[in-house]
Amino acid sequence: GAVVSQHPSWVICKSGTSVKIECRSLDFQATTMFWYRQFPKQSLMLMATSNEGSKATYEQGVEKDKFLINHASLTLSTLTVTSAHPEDSSFYICSANPPSGNTGELFFGEGSRLTVL
Amino acid sequence: QKEVEQDPGPLSVPEGAIVSLNCTYSNSAFQYFMWYRQYSRKGPELLMYTYSSGNKEDGRFTAQVDKSSKYISLFIRDSQPSDSATYLCAGNSGGYQKVTFGIGTKLQVIP
Repeated sequence: GAVVSQHPSWVICKSGTSVKIECRSLDFQATTMFWYRQFPKQSLMLMATSNEGSKATYEQGVEKDKFLINHASLTLSTLTVTSAHPEDSSFYICSANPPSGNTGELFFGEGSRLTVL
Repeated sequence: QKEVEQDPGPLSVPEGAIVSLNCTYSNSAFQYFMWYRQYSRKGPELLMYTYSSGNKEDGRFTAQVDKSSKYISLFIRDSQPSDSATYLCAGNSGGYQKVTFGIGTKLQVIP
């Protein structure tokens, strides 16, 4: 299957700092990537849809100024958590689907666990 | 009401048992249904992908969709300890529409 790589897999930072997470599609070009957040014992929640060459589309309730998304190329999307606070601690996962697939055929990265102290 | 309802479990079964995992959904527009497997601290992995009502089989896994009752199932035959994971059901209405996930059912297969 298609490969999506995410980095870093875990990060610890101090409150008030910014953290950048990268998501790469390794063997296909992805015009669209998706960013999810997963809290313990909760379902995956879509945060935003990242579109190559244009602005991301954010889900209701997600602060676009806090969660900056950049999709500068067909294989790379980044999520920057700005001025992180302890409540931002979560498991962040990106996904993409190959151009020929339905959006349900998602290939996920390994996830990035963020802990804000 | 959540769009996709799923019992979080945990569900414990002995090795070799047949496992039945189930979800219900409320969005009548859903046409595509997926099952993902997620190991602890990892991203989800696509297991099964089906369109509309019917069955789909892949090795030990069978996905079943009944759109009339808005019920989706995943059956695992001859379960193995390596099947121990959280199983997420999901659906969307197709095209480039948003995918909605259930909360996931944690499965433990005991050797």
